[in-house]
Amino acid sequence: DTGVSQDPRHKITKRGQNVTFRCDPISEHNRLYWYRQTLGQGPEFLTYFQNEAQLEKSRLLSDRFSAERPKGSFSTLEIQRTEQGDSAMYLCASSPQQANEQFFGPGTRLTVL
Amino acid sequence: DAKTTQPPSMDCAEGRAANLPCNHSTISGNEYVYWYRQIHSQGPQYIIHGLKNNETNEMASLIITEDRKSSTLILPHATLRDTAVYYCIATNAGGTSYGKLTFGQGTILTVHP
Repeated sequence: DTGVSQDPRHKITKRGQNVTFRCDPISEHNRLYWYRQTLGQGPEFLTYFQNEAQLEKSRLLSDRFSAERPKGSFSTLEIQRTEQGDSAMYLCASSPQQANEQFFGPGTRLTVL
Repeated sequence: DAKTTQPPSMDCAEGRAANLPCNHSTISGNEYVYWYRQIHSQGPQYIIHGLKNNETNEMASLIITEDRKSSTLILPHATLRDTAVYYCIATNAGGTSYGKLTFGQGTILTVHP
């Protein structure tokens, strides 16, 4: 399968723990996005990378959140000191330069107990 | 991104056309109308987009009013697999503008046998 992949698909953690999610975009896609989706709501933008550069961060991305894309390929999203309010689906999407559509991965569902 | 308004839910009989409306009365001249859908437990999937003209692809047709203040997504022969949340987004995302997507709550389309 050559689509966007995310790992893990599900994560259950205790409040206060750190978690890290990985996103592998479609090969050659230089644009990468992270979104968060809570139950019953549409996805909300978190951050955007063009190659390895993080060009935009939402105000939703508090200082407990950090994202990287070190070599312009895969990306990681880390949440430190998780809180119950962080429970959500974390979605990654990628697109090639000058494309109109974003290709989404299946998401990582985080549950913070 | 311009605000969009969609009905919260719609029903459709299998085999019939599903017509999903979207209001975007404050859309600006450089904003496109995008439609994505999200099937349960999956990431969003791009369907179609347009600027001024009506568009058709293998999945759907998009009808945009002449004043661009509203649009309709048409699934010509709905199947059970088209049951999903459909999101209408007005954005200048795509092409040379990387654009984050601003999702609303969408329309839950249920296709009945």
